[in-house]
Amino acid sequence: SYVLTQPPSVSVAPGQTARVPCDGNSIGVQNVHWYQQKPGQAPVLVVYDDSARPSGIPARFSGANSGKSASLTISGVEAGDEADYYCQVWNGDGDHLVFGPGTKVTVL
Amino acid sequence: QVQLQESGPGLVKSSETLSLTCTVSDASISGYYWNWLRQSPGKGLEWIAYIFSDGSTNSNPSLKSRVTVSVDTSNSQFSLKLTSVTAADTAVYYCARGGRDVVAAPLDNWGQGTLVTVSS
Repeated sequence: SYVLTQPPSVSVAPGQTARVPCDGNSIGVQNVHWYQQKPGQAPVLVVYDDSARPSGIPARFSGANSGKSASLTISGVEAGDEADYYCQVWNGDGDHLVFGPGTKVTVL
Repeated sequence: QVQLQESGPGLVKSSETLSLTCTVSDASISGYYWNWLRQSPGKGLEWIAYIFSDGSTNSNPSLKSRVTVSVDTSNSQFSLKLTSVTAADTAVYYCARGGRDVVAAPLDNWGQGTLVTVSS
C-alpha cells in the first residue's frame, strides 16, 4: 500500500517560516491535500490539489509538490498555527485514501 | 456551509457492532462522496470508507471485512457499521464530505467527531 512520510515535529519561532515535508513514491504525480488539526478539534482543510487554498484560509499557508516531495509552508507563523498537520492523497485513482502520520508544528 | 453531525452510542461492548450515523445539513447529499474516518487516542487519522450518493462504496482494505456503509438520501444521512469491535477500535470517529462526482478529491467539510469507546 502507498505510504506517506512526515517528520514527527517541526519547531518555528513566531514570524518565521515553517515547512512541513511529505514524502511518498512518485508523489509528484499525486494531488496532495493538507489538513490542520488543533487539539480536541476536527481537521480543517488548509491546502488542496498541491497548492490551492480553500476560501477563508490565510495566504500564509501555501503548498508545493514536485518530484519526490510535497510540502506545506506556513509563512509568518503565528501562535494560533500551532497544530498537527497531515498530508493526504488518494491512492489508485480513488481506490482508497492515505494520510501521512502527521507533523506537530510547535511555535516557540 | 455544509454541516455534518455524527451520532450514535459512545460505548460499545467488545465483539459487538459499532453503529454511527452522520446527518448532513445546509447542503444536498446527492452527487457527493461521503467519508468515514477515525482517530485513535493520540494517533493519526485513518480513513475507513466512502459512499457515493448512489450507494456505491469502497473501504480501507484493513477494515473491509468488518465495514458496511449505507446512505439514506431522503433523510440526508449516511451510516457506518463496524462489526466485531475490539479495544483497538476505540477512537474518535469523523464523517467528512468528499468530492462532487469525483472520488479523488479533498475532504472539505468535517463533522466535529464522536468518541466511541469499546469496553470489555
